[in-house]
Amino acid sequence: NAGVTQTPKFQVLKTGQSMTLQCAQDMNHEYMSWYRQDPGMGLRLIHYSVGAGITDQGEVPNGYNVSRSTTEDFPLRLLSAAPSQTSVYFCASIRGETQYFGPGTRLLVL
Amino acid sequence: TQLLEQSPQFLSIQEGENLTVYCNSSSVFSSLQWYRQEPGEGPVLLVTVVTGGEVKKLKRLTFQFGDARKDSSLHITAAQPGDTGLYLCAGPTSGTYKYIFGTGTRLKVLA
Repeated sequence: NAGVTQTPKFQVLKTGQSMTLQCAQDMNHEYMSWYRQDPGMGLRLIHYSVGAGITDQGEVPNGYNVSRSTTEDFPLRLLSAAPSQTSVYFCASIRGETQYFGPGTRLLVL
Repeated sequence: TQLLEQSPQFLSIQEGENLTVYCNSSSVFSSLQWYRQEPGEGPVLLVTVVTGGEVKKLKRLTFQFGDARKDSSLHITAAQPGDTGLYLCAGPTSGTYKYIFGTGTRLKVLA
């Protein structure tokens, strides 16, 4: 099992560009989440999904879109990147009360 | 809005010392979790506490859930350089899978 994988590991964007952060898990978990981590602020929930076709907003959803067409994949889309979206992004899948995190994507928006 | 506040924010100690990290809230949580995160990696779950007053031990780490389920603590005995990392507490909001995280405690153990 690869667990939770995220691509890319690092990305530089210009303001206004769009991109998709990929997240995949091979553990057949129904629940998946996206977080961003900023210095001094812990992890903040962006969006989450309780199964294929079902998504909901977290604490900081503005500027981000998600979809969940399969159990395995949960991509995060930035439609028009802003410098405030510079952060480290983590995807997680959940089984029971255990969250399994990916290695993260470090995003820099210039 | 449920919040989790951690203290201290930073901690630098010598190998062999003991330390305690706190996670506090004004809200009741059905459970609280502790994670450790190392640079360049995602957080890894250490423990989940569920019952008020519960104490769990993981080798030299002792976790306690407050009687009122509003706070938790992590105590490390005889800290080692391998304990260095960012410690995060987290809890589910209102019985959902929407977790909130504390701001973290960055621990550095010097050899």
